[in-house]
Amino acid sequence: RKEVEQDPGPFNVPEGATVAFNCTYSNSASQSFFWYRQDCRKEPKLLMSVYSSGNEDGRFTAQLNRASQYISLLIRDSKLSDSATYLCVAGGGGFKTIFGAGTRLFVKA
Amino acid sequence: GAGVSQSPSNKVTEKGKDVELRCDPISGHTALYWYRQSLGQGLEFLIYFQGNSAPDKSGLPSDRFSAERTGGSVSTLTIQRTQQEDSAVYLCASSLNRPRETQYFGPGTRLLVL
Repeated sequence: RKEVEQDPGPFNVPEGATVAFNCTYSNSASQSFFWYRQDCRKEPKLLMSVYSSGNEDGRFTAQLNRASQYISLLIRDSKLSDSATYLCVAGGGGFKTIFGAGTRLFVKA
Repeated sequence: GAGVSQSPSNKVTEKGKDVELRCDPISGHTALYWYRQSLGQGLEFLIYFQGNSAPDKSGLPSDRFSAERTGGSVSTLTIQRTQQEDSAVYLCASSLNRPRETQYFGPGTRLLVL
């Protein structure tokens, strides 16, 4: 079992749609969680951190469920520019940071 | 300010040759990471530096891989006797102090081993 698992997609949605991604992690000792965005042939960039209380940044909402060991990302009112791969990240035990393989999103006009 | 930079941006080499990849982290960032990303895959953790020390080398795939960091800044990742399966994008990231903080990535080095 992978330490961080994501549905690879792709998710194909029309502009304006709401889309949600889930991610599960296996290390119950994980303390830090993030969502990164990676555009094709580019480096990953931080989208948002994920806090225990949940957090929102504009059209993006992230939530953490420690009991079930999953984190989620909700994107409302999807834009064409949201098309990318979304990487779930869990800070593993010690120093290791574990990235999921990513979920691909295509937003179409 | 300047972000993380990596060089070369692309490297083509022949099987069996050694290659050296360079990473310049953001100034003042004490934590530095190397990852590998194969085509269509996620990021594979290779090694983490805190200052010049590498407390976690667990991700290095084999003893052909080594890395060092000097002056708490520049890091080099060396791959000896390259193999075709080493072909990937090698990404470097840095964070201010600790692994649990935001990591800022460089553009990567695309390595192709023929």
